Amino acid sequence: QKEVEQDPGPLSVPEGAIVSLNCTYSNSAFQYFMWYRQYSRKGPELLMYTYSSGNKEDGRFTAQVDKSSKYISLFIRDSQPSDSATYLCAMNKNTDKLIFGTGTRLQVFP
Amino acid sequence: GAVVSQHPSWVICKSGTSVKIECRSLDFQATTMFWYRQFPKQSLMLMATSNEGSKATYEQGVEKDKFLINHASLTLSTLTVTSAHPEDSSFYICSTSNRAKGYDTQYFGPGTRLTVL
Repeated sequence: QKEVEQDPGPLSVPEGAIVSLNCTYSNSAFQYFMWYRQYSRKGPELLMYTYSSGNKEDGRFTAQVDKSSKYISLFIRDSQPSDSATYLCAMNKNTDKLIFGTGTRLQVFP
Repeated sequence: GAVVSQHPSWVICKSGTSVKIECRSLDFQATTMFWYRQFPKQSLMLMATSNEGSKATYEQGVEKDKFLINHASLTLSTLTVTSAHPEDSSFYICSTSNRAKGYDTQYFGPGTRLTVL
């Protein structure tokens, strides 16, 4: 079993839809949770960072962490074609090494 | 977030040659740098972790004599792919982190696409 599971998609939604991206994990020691966005042939860009459980909102993006269920989510409101990318969840303990999900490919069509 | 650059952005080389990729942290001191490899439509695979002034720690299965990492300063790390072969063709991405920030997130460079003929 992988430490972090993420549905690879692709996920295709119309412009303006609410997108829900999710990851599950098995290691209860994880404390730091991140979402990265990666456009084709580019390096990942940090979107959201969350420590422990709870919600965090930044513009159209909301990150949720439920440590009791070992489940994290990223919500994108009013999705735009420019949001089309691969979204990677990542997490770690008190060390630098990040554990990544496989990434979910999102396509927002006009 | 932090600004990280990589050079070159892409490189094509002949089999058997060596290629050096540079990773620079432009706006903060990177105590730790990471090197990843990514194959098409796959996630990032960590190759090694390097701390400034010390030897890199390689992940299982990564040949340290083939992938030479140098982290001589707080702003520069280099990855040299020695005696490159076609199977080394991949997207190489570096990232930086700074423990002084109090949490362990990473900022990524734009990546270097290596094609070995």
